[in-house]
Amino acid sequence: DTAVSQTPKYLVTQMGNDKSIKCEQNLGHDTMYWYKQDSKKFLKIMFSYNNKELIINETVPNRFSPKSPDKAHLNLHINSLELGDSAVYFCASSIGRRGGSSYNEQFFGPGTRLTVL
Amino acid sequence: GESVGLHLPTLSVQEGDNSIINCAYSNSASDYFIWYKQESGKGPQFIIDIRSNMDKRQGQRVTVLLNKTVKHLSLQIAATQPGDSAVYFCAENQGKLVFGAGTILRVKS
Repeated sequence: DTAVSQTPKYLVTQMGNDKSIKCEQNLGHDTMYWYKQDSKKFLKIMFSYNNKELIINETVPNRFSPKSPDKAHLNLHINSLELGDSAVYFCASSIGRRGGSSYNEQFFGPGTRLTVL
Repeated sequence: GESVGLHLPTLSVQEGDNSIINCAYSNSASDYFIWYKQESGKGPQFIIDIRSNMDKRQGQRVTVLLNKTVKHLSLQIAATQPGDSAVYFCAENQGKLVFGAGTILRVKS
């Protein structure tokens, strides 16, 4: 009965490869997010989708492409992985119609630790 | 643990004491604030939130205080327990959640 789930939990790969991280929420929420947490624990939003529509797109390299096949899923595909992409990536979801601008807490997944060698 | 090597502010408290974690936020127009707790190897977990039209909100063992004049937020944890050991983040709503740098709370038994 996990609320927000991500796969895989750990991902180790070589520079230049392409990889995907999957996220699913079973909370019936309309809005989903991807966050990146660096080695200093700094947590920053990357993308937000509301009902499959992209509503927040921070300054993220276009090697990162989110895809939302339905409102319960938000996947993150990363092309041509670089060393600096190593981080923990968190998916989150909230009821809110627009990411963060309504008074609704965000529920976070367990994270995917990506290591690029 | 994961906190080794991190240069985040650290608060060490004795079990049973009260803890106060502080946060300075950046945008005076932010209208909603949340405190999150992140345990080692897990995602952030909601603790308590507060809207900008309030200056205090209480939960179970936790209280959040908001001082808009100086753009300051604090989280008070009563009777701190070992299970409270984690990294604590404040976040402000600027149309998206903007997280603070985090504070490590260590509880000594």
